[in-house]
Amino acid sequence: SAVISQKPSRDICQRGTSLTIQCQVDSQVTMMFWYRQQPGQSLTLIATANQGSEATYESGFVIDKFPISRPNLTFSTLTVSNMSPEDSSIYLCSVWEQGGYGYTFGSGTRLTVV
Amino acid sequence: KQEVTQIPAALSVPEGENLVLNCSFTDSAIYNLQWFRQDPGKGLTSLLLIQSSQREQTSGRLNASLDKSSGRSTLYIAASQPGDSATYLCAVESGTYKYIFGTGTRLKVLA
Repeated sequence: SAVISQKPSRDICQRGTSLTIQCQVDSQVTMMFWYRQQPGQSLTLIATANQGSEATYESGFVIDKFPISRPNLTFSTLTVSNMSPEDSSIYLCSVWEQGGYGYTFGSGTRLTVV
Repeated sequence: KQEVTQIPAALSVPEGENLVLNCSFTDSAIYNLQWFRQDPGKGLTSLLLIQSSQREQTSGRLNASLDKSSGRSTLYIAASQPGDSATYLCAVESGTYKYIFGTGTRLKVLA
């Protein structure tokens, strides 16, 4: 299955600033997804990022707050903008692979906003 | 709207026990169901993927079954070990490759 490198692994940020999270995949994949996991909660889908088109956001998530780039089939970024303590979460990227692999996840970015 | 529930929410067992984790979903029209484990503060590791045409999948000491008609899946862990301690998540896909995740079962295996 694909191997995903996600950076940074963790960060502590000041409120009002922005953080960009990167995901690099070792093979070309069509479908990439960004998830958020708030403390003690399960995962919630933020958006689907397909190369060559605008990201598709889920209800409750907007592009101004979570801009996403997908410049090619192996790379994507998620920016968390104008952060507040409520944005403190683990952010995870994932890809869908055919051939019986399903979803593969990156190692996650643990964000704390102070 | 698809909802996924996992029972129990937490489980503590002595090493060597066989155990069963449960996952239920409200809409039986699913394409895939996948089990993951998550260590504290980390990403997710895929354990087993069951496609809609399959009834079960096995990997080592793990066996997952799927009963779409009743909206249930179980993850069976044989001869549990302290290294199995983690949170176990199930997720279902009802189309468009988007997953709905369950609430998770926190497992602790005592040495």
